[in-house]
Amino acid sequence: EAGVTQFPSHSVIEKGQTVTLRCDPISGHDNLYWYRRVMGKEIKFLLHFVKESKQDESGMPNNRFLAERTGGTYSTLKVQPAELEDSGVYFCASSLAGNVLFFGSGTQLSVL
Amino acid sequence: QKEVEQNSGPLSVPEGAIASLNCTYSDRGSQSFFWYRQYSGKSPELIMFIYSNGDKEDGRFTAQLNKASQYVSLLIRDSQPSDSATYLCAVRGTDKLIFGTGTRLQVFP
Repeated sequence: EAGVTQFPSHSVIEKGQTVTLRCDPISGHDNLYWYRRVMGKEIKFLLHFVKESKQDESGMPNNRFLAERTGGTYSTLKVQPAELEDSGVYFCASSLAGNVLFFGSGTQLSVL
Repeated sequence: QKEVEQNSGPLSVPEGAIASLNCTYSDRGSQSFFWYRQYSGKSPELIMFIYSNGDKEDGRFTAQLNKASQYVSLLIRDSQPSDSATYLCAVRGTDKLIFGTGTRLQVFP
């Protein structure tokens, strides 16, 4: 069974540009989470989908971040326009019943 | 005060020794507790979870939970160089996992 997959693994963009990250959860997992780790800090929650609905988006930093999960399958996280402080590793995780989370390998985003 | 606190380390132990990793949390209402291991550049990988006070053993790993003291720990027996990684403590709040910064463990031969 395939795990959580994220694309791209790395992205280097300039300040002001737009970047879209994609996450494919484990098949059948209704719960999908986005987390972010900024260098030297803890992994921080961004938001949680249950199927296609946003259950909790309290961790989204600001309105430059937009997450979608069309059809309740894969999810995208778009940052527009990107700022320097958005650099970090963006992790996606999925779970079946909301208890144990399985993480993807992350997208390393560098904003120059 | 951080919601989940861990000593960042590094914690260095010799091969074969017991490694003890500690974590404290601030939300008394937390119900479930997780230990993840993360190798550099890789995804966090679940090692163990614990819900009840006391000890839970799985192979060389033992998780210990003390809700009264708001303390959770992970013991790794017979530590191996392959155990060298960052260990993340995570606590489930209302519906999301809250992570500590992680403790870097180094097991030297």
